[in-house]
Amino acid sequence: AQSVTQLDSQVPVFEEAPVELRCNYSSSVSVYLFWYVQYPNQGLQLLLKYLSGSTLVKGINGFEAEFNKSQTSFHLRKPSVHISDTAEYFCAVSEVIQGAQKLVFGQGTRLTINP
Amino acid sequence: DTAVSQTPKYLVTQMGNDKSIKCEQNLGHDTMYWYKQDSKKFLKIMFSYNNKELIINETVPNRFSPKSPDKAHLNLHINSLELGDSAVYFCASSQGAGPGGEQYFGPGTRLTVT
Repeated sequence: AQSVTQLDSQVPVFEEAPVELRCNYSSSVSVYLFWYVQYPNQGLQLLLKYLSGSTLVKGINGFEAEFNKSQTSFHLRKPSVHISDTAEYFCAVSEVIQGAQKLVFGQGTRLTINP
Repeated sequence: DTAVSQTPKYLVTQMGNDKSIKCEQNLGHDTMYWYKQDSKKFLKIMFSYNNKELIINETVPNRFSPKSPDKAHLNLHINSLELGDSAVYFCASSQGAGPGGEQYFGPGTRLTVT
């Protein structure tokens, strides 16, 4: 079974500082990886995804992630964060079960931006 | 226009009651999902429907019964509610069932069982 581990439950950073949210995955088959963001009291929204090809993936709101097969990682980065980036971030791996996509989520990382 | 909507947004009820949560998507997607997010924010899939057919049922108690009257709707009925059912329930949809698809999430229904 596939699994995802997010190494930090909380990450506090100052505004305009860089940030990295760490994600490691476990998969025995082809890997499809996602980062979703959940703003307070809202549903999840896709930030970016890796399916194949270039290992550096760019997403919305200035975020990017790098797929590293040898380290089984898919860390999310942003060079300069804003107060509006305060949210919960979820890394997920996708597998197909009986023809349906099943997303397996990590535990989430709460990103708090301080002024 | 709201892409994936859920009603109600908040639901407070007593143990033993039966309740339903409704979900509708106007994206024309053919696959819909229910997720449960617990108090620690852990998110886990419960069910997946493709073209009104149940595809994924993740060892959810029989008290939970999803119903898909058409491709745009996926409702969740819960019988004999228990304290442990308190959580935020999210509906989501996607086009197709491939592994690389994006899922669109509703705003969630916060269920509190007292």
